[in-house]
Amino acid sequence: ETGVTQTPRHLVMGMTNKKSLKCEQHLGHNAMYWYKQSAKKPLELMFVYSLEERVENNSVPSRFSPECPNSSHLFLHLHTLQPEDSALYLCASSQEGQGLSPLHFGNGTRLTVT
Amino acid sequence: TQLLEQSPQFLSIQEGENLTVYCNSSSVFSSLQWYRQEPGEGPVLLVTVVTGGEVKKLKRLTFQFGDARKDSSLHITAAQPGDTGLYLCAGEGPDKLIFGTGTRLQVFP
Repeated sequence: ETGVTQTPRHLVMGMTNKKSLKCEQHLGHNAMYWYKQSAKKPLELMFVYSLEERVENNSVPSRFSPECPNSSHLFLHLHTLQPEDSALYLCASSQEGQGLSPLHFGNGTRLTVT
Repeated sequence: TQLLEQSPQFLSIQEGENLTVYCNSSSVFSSLQWYRQEPGEGPVLLVTVVTGGEVKKLKRLTFQFGDARKDSSLHITAAQPGDTGLYLCAGEGPDKLIFGTGTRLQVFP
């Protein structure tokens, strides 16, 4: 399998649930990202991990908790979300240290909070 | 705060027509990328422009970076239904990519 794979593709959860989004990249990249894509808004960077260390948080609410156990895997743990958190969550990877390298995105997880 | 405004926001055209999408900012960017996102998929990089005034062509798509590196345009010649998608520009900021607001293109057969 190649590229960036995200699971699940769709997720519906209540505000009191706890769930996790998973991302796996097979490109040998050393940086991984979580983005939030909402209607009528630009892509919002949530978290960046470079060499498995978090380098950017962007003031994301604590109900979103990222985890990067190794350079190929990235998780986003969700708990007590709000309806306004419903969006498409995109994972991406890139190779840092080579100037501005392009982002390789997964197909996203469509999250609906009820 | 660096912002990238794209216009038009929506574009619906017939197959064979030409179109231009704009990406504008008051900030200077070191480089600018264009992505296309098809329904149900993540964005995919189309091109990166680096030099002010640079023009790059990708089949029927022509990308231009403004001389002052504050704006960019994407021109599509003889649009096809396969060109349908969300077009995103992204400028290289001091420490991250700044994404534009997007142009959603629908090409009808």
